[in-house]
Amino acid sequence: AQSVTQPDIHITVSEGASLELRCNYSYGATPYLFWYVQSPGQGLQLLLKYFSGDTLVQGIKGFEAEFKRSQSSFNLRKPSVHWSDAAEYFCAVGAKGGSYIPTFGRGTSLIVHP
Amino acid sequence: EAGVTQSPTHLIKTRGQQVTLRCSPISGHTSVYWYQQALGLGLQFLLWYDEGEERNRGNFPPRFSGRQFPNYSSELNVNALELEDSALYLCASQPRSYNSPLHFGNGTRLTVT
Repeated sequence: AQSVTQPDIHITVSEGASLELRCNYSYGATPYLFWYVQSPGQGLQLLLKYFSGDTLVQGIKGFEAEFKRSQSSFNLRKPSVHWSDAAEYFCAVGAKGGSYIPTFGRGTSLIVHP
Repeated sequence: EAGVTQSPTHLIKTRGQQVTLRCSPISGHTSVYWYQQALGLGLQFLLWYDEGEERNRGNFPPRFSGRQFPNYSSELNVNALELEDSALYLCASQPRSYNSPLHFGNGTRLTVT
């Protein structure tokens, strides 16, 4: 069974600083990987996804993530954080095949100081 | 293109009551997933419907059930509500290709008193 670990429950950064949110997954084959963002009271919005190919994936809102198979990681990065980036971020892993049940991490809450 | 819509947005129920939550997927999407998001617990998978059939369910008691209609909309039913059922219930839809990301609605906030 697949699993996702987001080791940081909360991350606090200053506006304009760089950001890296960590995600580690467990899955026996090449996974499908996703990052979602959830603003307060809202559903989840897809930031980016990795299926295959280039291990550095570009997403919306200036975010990128890098798939590192050797480390089973898919960390999310942004070079300069804006106050509007404050939200909950979820990493998710999916398996190829018919029984595709995306598994989500517990989320990382991003706090942005002015 | 209209997104995933869920109704109602908020709901307050008393312990022991029953509740029905509704979800309309994006047009052309055949799969519907239900997740429970309780405070501090992330997203817990509840149910997966595809082409009108239940394909999988998470580790929840049988009082959580649902169905998918011919137009691919879905209902989630929760019987005999308990206080710990208070959570945000998220519906997500997916096109026929299993390799596509999920598209989420804004959820139904259920409070059980």
